[in-house]
Amino acid sequence: SQQGEEDPQALSIQEGENATMNCSYKTSINNLQWYRQNSGRGLVHLILIRSNEREKHSGRLRVTLDTSKKSSSLLITASRAADTASYFCATLRGGAGNMLTFGGGTRLMVKP
Amino acid sequence: DGGITQSPKYLFRKEGQNVTLSCEQNLNHDAMYWYRQDPGQGLRLIYYSQIVNDFQKGDIAEGYSVSREKKESFPLTVTSAQKNPTAFYLCASSILRDPYEQYFGPGTRLTVT
Repeated sequence: SQQGEEDPQALSIQEGENATMNCSYKTSINNLQWYRQNSGRGLVHLILIRSNEREKHSGRLRVTLDTSKKSSSLLITASRAADTASYFCATLRGGAGNMLTFGGGTRLMVKP
Repeated sequence: DGGITQSPKYLFRKEGQNVTLSCEQNLNHDAMYWYRQDPGQGLRLIYYSQIVNDFQKGDIAEGYSVSREKKESFPLTVTSAQKNPTAFYLCASSILRDPYEQYFGPGTRLTVT
């Protein structure tokens, strides 16, 4: 079963706008990771937030984590056409330290 | 240049044939993984390996087989028993300690007709 579920499934915005994607998960976590996938390519790790962190920044990326609601959000500020991709959250499976469960992803389109 | 390579990028096979997808890494990672991705969907784990000569089934192992004879290599065979083999296959690797970030190859798109 999917541990992480992203919302929305698809998002279309204009260049310069902010994009927010949400991820919900079901069980307790050690960390939550966000990955990006360009069409027809492999995934690339973007950012990781630990369970004892509430917010983390990396360049134009801002990730928040609310463990009480079992949810995380990824904000991309001042989006660019090159940000067009699918974004996935991933959580470690309980009891198997190295195994990740990926959500279904949010497909982001940034129009120039 | 460190990374994960998968070959070929595109693969076409006739129904009933077995096909092997290659995955090689030079990151010195102990763990390797195979995922399947269907159009517009997330990743589903097929098999994983944490050490040479050992591997475990993931969520959708039926119709697939793997081997791990070398640390660097983790080939996936899609057998004729896999009912819907057409998909995008991704290989990944990681170290076996926190934070368990995974590094992905470019993927192989398999089409079976």
